[in-house]
Parts: sequence; C-alpha cells; structure tokens
Amino acid sequence: EVQLLESGGGLVHPGGSLRLSCAASGFTFSSYGMSWVRQAPGKGLKWVSAISGNGVNTYYADSAKGRFTISRDNSKKILYLQMTSLRAEDTAVYYCARGRSSPGFWGQGTLVTVSS
Amino acid sequence: DIQMTQSPSSLSASVGDRVTITCQASQDISNYLNWYQQKPGKAPKLLIYDASNLETGVPSRFSGSGSGTDFTFTISSLQPEDIATYYCQQYDNSLVTFGGGTKVEIK
Repeated sequence: EVQLLESGGGLVHPGGSLRLSCAASGFTFSSYGMSWVRQAPGKGLKWVSAISGNGVNTYYADSAKGRFTISRDNSKKILYLQMTSLRAEDTAVYYCARGRSSPGFWGQGTLVTVSS
Repeated sequence: DIQMTQSPSSLSASVGDRVTITCQASQDISNYLNWYQQKPGKAPKLLIYDASNLETGVPSRFSGSGSGTDFTFTISSLQPEDIATYYCQQYDNSLVTFGGGTKVEIK
C-alpha cells in the first residue's frame, strides 16, 4: 500500500525556519519525482516545489525560490522541504505528493503556521 | 508563468444533473492538464490525467476533454458523494499551476 506521511509542521515565528519531511512506503521511491503542494486555510492548491527521482533536478514556484529547498534521501525514502525566512503568507497545510508533473498520490498534509 | 482560469468558482446542482467545469490556460498546453477532487478535510485525489484519461478506479461518470487552451471536466450524473472542490492543473513546462477551484454543492 502506497503511503506518504508528512511531519515537521508547527508554529514558527516570522523569519524563522522549518524542515518538513515526508516518509514514503509501498512503492519504489527513487523511481518517482516528488512534489510539495500547499493550501492556505480556506484557499486553493498552490504548487511549491518538485524534484526528480534521482534528486538531480529541482523546481520551485516563484514564491519558494531562494527561501525553500527541496531534497530527498532515496536510501531512507524521505522527501524534505527546508523552509527559511518564513512569512505569514506561508501559513498552510503542506502536502507531499508522488509525481512531479501529475501528482497521483498525496499524503494527508502537515500544517505550518507562521505567526508571532 | 502559465495561468489557469477555472469557472465557475462554485455551483449548485441536483442529484442526477450533468455538471460541467471549464479551465482555460493562458497559453497552449497541449493536453498537459489534470483534474483533481478534494473533499473537505482530505487530500486531493487525481481523477483525470492528460486531459481525458480516467485514473484507475475512478467512476466513469467523470470525464475530461479539450486540448490547447480550453478544457472541460464533466460529471455526467451528479451523486451525493461528488460534493467536493475540483481543481484543474497544468504541467506544460517544468512549473505546475492549479486553477482556482470549483466548489460543487447539492441543490
């Protein structure tokens, strides 16, 4: 059974940092690109970042460029999102999803709240 | 960046009605268009990929069509369990964009 389990969310002050993790199981992790998508409370879906299966190629939305870093550890089957210089507008549920262009399976998300 | 304009933003229909949602891309994206369903408090679920292909296990009352800049998502006979927000998503270039969503309710 395919599973994606996000963790690492929480309350952080503006300007702070947070690292999200997504533990994968039930599929050959290294064979799939992976994505992070976020959803602010009551709002729509916003793509954040993606990474190729081998970790060589990374992609970012303009809002994430220069502040967020996506990475993966294929030996541990974990996807990461390192977030720095966090702003109130980064408050959202962050989902990891299997697939780079067509995310076909999603985790349940982890809530990041940026507030003083 | 490619912008996706989805309409309507919400709709109310009766059980058994045919429901149609449209999505327009700001430039030609061929058939690089997916449709997702998100129920309240749940993660999104991929329903349609490459504009018109039904994901495995998705009921056949869901369908998609279109290419280039104009796309359509249809529920042929609305069921109570279809209450959700639906999103289109393009992946024509290395960046991904979602439409604004359409909230579907039962009248």
